[in-house]
Formats: sequence, C-alpha cells, structure tokens
Amino acid sequence: GQQLNQSPQSMFIQEGEDVSMNCTSSSIFNTWLWYKQEPGEGPVLLIALYKAGELTSNGRLTAQFGITRKDSFLNISASIPSDVGIYFCAGPNDNFNKFYFGSGTKLNVKP
Amino acid sequence: DSGVTQTPKHLITATGQRVTLRCSPRSGDLSVYWYQQSLDQGLQFLIQYYNGEERAKGNILERFSAQQFPDLHSELNLSSLELGDSALYFCASTPTSSYNEQFFGPGTRLTVL
Repeated sequence: GQQLNQSPQSMFIQEGEDVSMNCTSSSIFNTWLWYKQEPGEGPVLLIALYKAGELTSNGRLTAQFGITRKDSFLNISASIPSDVGIYFCAGPNDNFNKFYFGSGTKLNVKP
Repeated sequence: DSGVTQTPKHLITATGQRVTLRCSPRSGDLSVYWYQQSLDQGLQFLIQYYNGEERAKGNILERFSAQQFPDLHSELNLSSLELGDSALYFCASTPTSSYNEQFFGPGTRLTVL
C-alpha cells in the first residue's frame, strides 16, 4: 500500500507559537486530507485539498497541496491549548474506497 | 458527535476468543470503512463496504471478516484473537455527495489478555 510519512512525530510548543508539519508520499495523490484526533475520539476532518499547489485555510489552520502531488503541509498559527491532539494526513485512492493515513504528528501546547 | 455509532466502547477478552464489533453509519451514508489503530500508530485501513457489498480490502488478516447488512450497519468479526490484536478499531462512513469526507465513530478499544 501507499506509505505516508509525517514529520515531526511530536512537537512541544508554547501557546501562541506557530506550528508547521508535513507529510510526504512515495506516490502521487489527487486529494490530500488533514485530520485531528483528540484523546478517546475518532479523527475529525480539518481540511481537504484537491489541486496541486492549492492553499486552503480553516480558521488558524492552513494547508497546502504540494506541486509534485507527493506532499502536503499543515500550518497552525497562534496555537492555543485546545490545539492539542494528533494530526494525521491522509490520501484516498482514485476510487475513494481506500484511505491511507500517515503515522501522525502529536502536538502538545503549553499554556 | 459525528453521527457514526460504534459498540461496544471497550472490550476485554482473552487470546483465542472471537469478538464482534458493531458500527452504524450516519443516516443516509452507504459506505462504511473499518480501520485499526495500534498504540501511537496511524490508522490502518482494513476493509470498505458500500451498500452491502465489499468494495476494497486493505491489510486485513484472514482471521478478521466483516459484513454490511441491509440496514447498512456493519460488523467486524475478529477471531482467534492474539495479543497483537489489541488496538482501537474505528469505523467511518462517507456521504455519497462527498466521498472524501469521512466521518469517524468514537471507536472500540479492544484489549486482548
């Protein structure tokens, strides 16, 4: 199956700092997705990207679909304690019947 | 609340046993996906059903099977359980209007002792 590599694995930041994380793939994706998972919950979709080069925002979150279609980036500005969680990138196959997830970036925010 | 329900929330069982995990998709969603999440790992896709039919398989062990019933709820059966099967099991459903948008249930935490 497709391999999605996320970095960093974990981050410890101070409230108010900006955060960047990325995801790379060995294969091309035509859709990139970013999810957040909080403890004891299922992942929740944050941002969906459909076009190479696309930049999409959702509040303080901004994600980009890499030009090569093999990578994507997620930025969080002015982090707050409720940003704590694990952020996953994901990509579906062309039929949307399989979704591949990265191993996640665990974000810790110190008030 | 995503609208996807999963039962039970927690399950503790012994090696060699068989368990059944249940998932009800959001109202109107025809697709159900099953995932396994081991400790501190990403989600591994197991299997997908659409309107009662199996559509895709991932890294699902032969000891695992699933089905989707006419009322669209789905069950994941895990048999001959091993310690390594301990994990969170999630199901997700997608609306036909937006296949990329997966809504996840709260998960079932399986512990095999």
